[in-house]
Formats: sequence, structure tokens, C-alpha cells
Amino acid sequence: EDKVVQSPLSLVVHEGDTVTLNCSYEVTNFRSLLWYKQEKKAPTFLFMLTSSGIEKKSGRLSSILDKKELFSILNITATQTGDSAVYLCAGGMDSNYQLIWGAGTKLIIKP
Amino acid sequence: DTAVSQTPKYLVTQMGNDKSIKCEQNLGHDTMYWYKQDSKKFLKIMFSYNNKELIINETVPNRFSPKSPDKAHLNLHINSLELGDSAVYFCASSQDTPFGAGGRQFFGPGTRLTVL
Repeated sequence: EDKVVQSPLSLVVHEGDTVTLNCSYEVTNFRSLLWYKQEKKAPTFLFMLTSSGIEKKSGRLSSILDKKELFSILNITATQTGDSAVYLCAGGMDSNYQLIWGAGTKLIIKP
Repeated sequence: DTAVSQTPKYLVTQMGNDKSIKCEQNLGHDTMYWYKQDSKKFLKIMFSYNNKELIINETVPNRFSPKSPDKAHLNLHINSLELGDSAVYFCASSQDTPFGAGGRQFFGPGTRLTVL
């Protein structure tokens, strides 16, 4: 059965800390790994990774994919209170249109 | 311009009623989706349409019926609403990549349904 598992489920840190969020996957005909950030409304796209070992970076956020070990990490450096959100990862298949979603990591940044 | 829009944003109704949620995307995408997100924030796929054709139909009560009049619209009709239907419903769309599927999905703002 296809599945995506995120850890930890929740995390509380202080502003300025660095956090690493984990996502492991078992997805048939795997094509891509996507990260989304969800605050109070709809999930907003962060990264899509298709190649192993190539880091994608956007400001203080970065992500990398390991297709051999079947996982991805999302790093956030110098965290700010605005980074508080649920971070979702999803595995995309090459054979159909479905994304397999993880349960999310709830990140709380304390001032 | 809003890329994926949903109406209404909030819906409060009594058990047993029938209601519809509308979704429109102006991105020119071929594929649209309906998701249900419960209080624990887990996103569950319900349906997906590609060029007006149903391609994903997960285990969902048959009280839920999607309708796609054209590839820019995907509506969700719910009959005989139950308490357990209370959730946030998200519409999303995606464009096939040249390599097949597995691409980025764009989400609408969500419709918060409360069944009393």
C-alpha cells in the first residue's frame, strides 16, 4: 500500500532555532516529492523534488530528496513565528494523477 | 486574479439537507480534485477529474457526487448531510507534466462545512 509518513507529528521550538522535518515514502511508480505549508487556509506550495541529492532552496527553507533511502527532509533555519504552520509532504506517482499525502508536522515557533 | 476559487467559503446546514460546493480554476489545468480535511488536518482525496472524465473515485459515500461540466469547473454535491461530513473541503487543480503526472497541485481557499 502506498504511504507517506512524516515525523515528528508536532514540534515546538524557539525563534531562531533550526528545525528539520522528515518525510519517508513508499509510493508506487514514484515521480516526485512535494512539500506544502498550511497555515489557517489552503496548503501553499513550497518545493517539488524529483532528483536525488539536489538541494532546493528558498530563503531560509531548503529541502533534499534521497531516492535510495526513500525520504526527504525540509530544513528551516533561523525560524520565525511566521513559520508556525502544518507542513505537509506528498508523494507523486508517474502513473496517475494522485498525490499520497502525509499526516503533516505541526510546527510551533515560540517568540 | 484567483487561480482556484471555491464557493461558498463557509456553509452551515442541518443534518439531512442537500448542499453543493462549486470550484473553478482559471489556470488552464487539465485535472481537478476534491479533498476532505478533517480536524486532524489529514488531507484525504475524494475525487479527481481529468478533462471532465472521472479518474479517481476513492471510497466515499455515494451521497457525494462530483460533476464536471467542463475542465475548468468541478462541483461537489452532497445529499442527506450527516454530522461526520463536517470538515474543510478543498478543491485543487494540476497540469500534467511532460513526464506524466505527479506534479504540483494548486489549492482553492477551502469550504468549511458545518453540519448541525
